[in-house]
Amino acid sequence: ETGVTQTPRHLVMGMTNKKSLKCEQHLGHNAMYWYKQSAKKPLELMFVYNFKEQTENNSVPSRFSPECPNSSHLFLHLHTLQPEDSALYLCASSQGEGVAGGIWQFFGPGTRLTVL
Amino acid sequence: GQQLNQSPQSMFIQEGEDVSMNCTSSSIFNTWLWYKQDPGEGPVLLIALYKAGELTSNGRLTAQFGITRKDSFLNISASIPSDVGIYFCAGRIIQGAQKLVFGQGTRLTINP
Repeated sequence: ETGVTQTPRHLVMGMTNKKSLKCEQHLGHNAMYWYKQSAKKPLELMFVYNFKEQTENNSVPSRFSPECPNSSHLFLHLHTLQPEDSALYLCASSQGEGVAGGIWQFFGPGTRLTVL
Repeated sequence: GQQLNQSPQSMFIQEGEDVSMNCTSSSIFNTWLWYKQDPGEGPVLLIALYKAGELTSNGRLTAQFGITRKDSFLNISASIPSDVGIYFCAGRIIQGAQKLVFGQGTRLTINP
């Protein structure tokens, strides 16, 4: 595997379900990000992890719970979601905040989430 | 919060035409990035700009960092069918959190 991978690519869940999204980066980067992409809206940054530590939580509802066990893996745990949470969830990685070139974020293909 | 206004929102052109899109903001940015997103994929970085006035090319793509640090444009010359997609600008602000702010995107459609 190369670059940034995300699984699953598509997910349909009910509002009472609990599911998790997984992201893995094979680039040796130290920072990882979760974004939400809704139709006709800018990408919304959700969370930032730098060297496994959460450095940004962009006022995300608690029904979204991130986990970063190491610099290569990032999870987004989902529970009791709402239909308006349906969107494309993108993971990205970069060399790291504060590192020269660290601004270059490489994105995964995303998980298309549908909440019924 | 910081916002980027990207225009146009969509473009319908003939193959071979040149394309121009831009992003403006009321905030100052110290870095501008341009991404392209194909259907079903994540955004891919095209060009990065780091200095006011900088003009950078990547094949048929040319982007410039505005002198005021509040805008950037992307030009695509001699468009081809594979240029179809959504183009996003992204900026990194000078003050505050070191994170990217994205524009709304420009959807490019090309008629062969």
